[in-house]
Amino acid sequence: DTEVTQTPKHLVMGMTNKKSLKCEQHMGHRAMYWYKQKAKKPPELMFVYSYEKLSINESVPSRFSPECPNSSLLNLHLHALQPEDSALYLCASSQAYRVNEQYFGPGTRLTVT
Amino acid sequence: AQTVTQSQPEMSVQEAETVTLSCTYDTSENNYYLFWYKQPPSRQMILVIRQEAYKQQNATENRFSVNFQKAAKSFSLKISDSQLGDTAMYFCAFMNNQGGKLIFGQGTELSVKP
Repeated sequence: DTEVTQTPKHLVMGMTNKKSLKCEQHMGHRAMYWYKQKAKKPPELMFVYSYEKLSINESVPSRFSPECPNSSLLNLHLHALQPEDSALYLCASSQAYRVNEQYFGPGTRLTVT
Repeated sequence: AQTVTQSQPEMSVQEAETVTLSCTYDTSENNYYLFWYKQPPSRQMILVIRQEAYKQQNATENRFSVNFQKAAKSFSLKISDSQLGDTAMYFCAFMNNQGGKLIFGQGTELSVKP
């Protein structure tokens, strides 16, 4: 099973809402990633978790709050977002941080109104 | 800092023909990894092929092959016998030996025409 799942597929939220994105993998991978992707642009790394600990935060605004409750699950909590945060949010995982093949989920299309 | 450049924003090819997508990168490191990812309109990013810099042999995966020129810092992707399902955005990506962070090029949007 080489699948990374993400829910929801689509999310529309107002600037005062609080919502969460969820990512799950059952491949036994110990590194998980959040990327943000604007239309026709490459993904931009936001966060990396390695063995459930935050390893990299690419200077992401605090209105994005990641959480890794266990090795299979990665959440991204959203609060007080801006319209420019509208994007495709991709989750990925790899066997370990130093193992380089990353497997991506289908993404959550987020629209902030 | 490492950079990845894809100089062809858009390309098109007739079904069953061969197309080559270009990628160049800049790094001072000797050991690293290079990837081509495909993102169809359905948006899921799929790994197409990977190349370890220490390997001289070019990687191949079925109809996909690369031309890796380490000295020239070039990593092109050749798609043979193009199929309609190959229509997608293709991203070239670099990862250093420490792992973790993928550095992507700007992408090439490939259209395969019937």
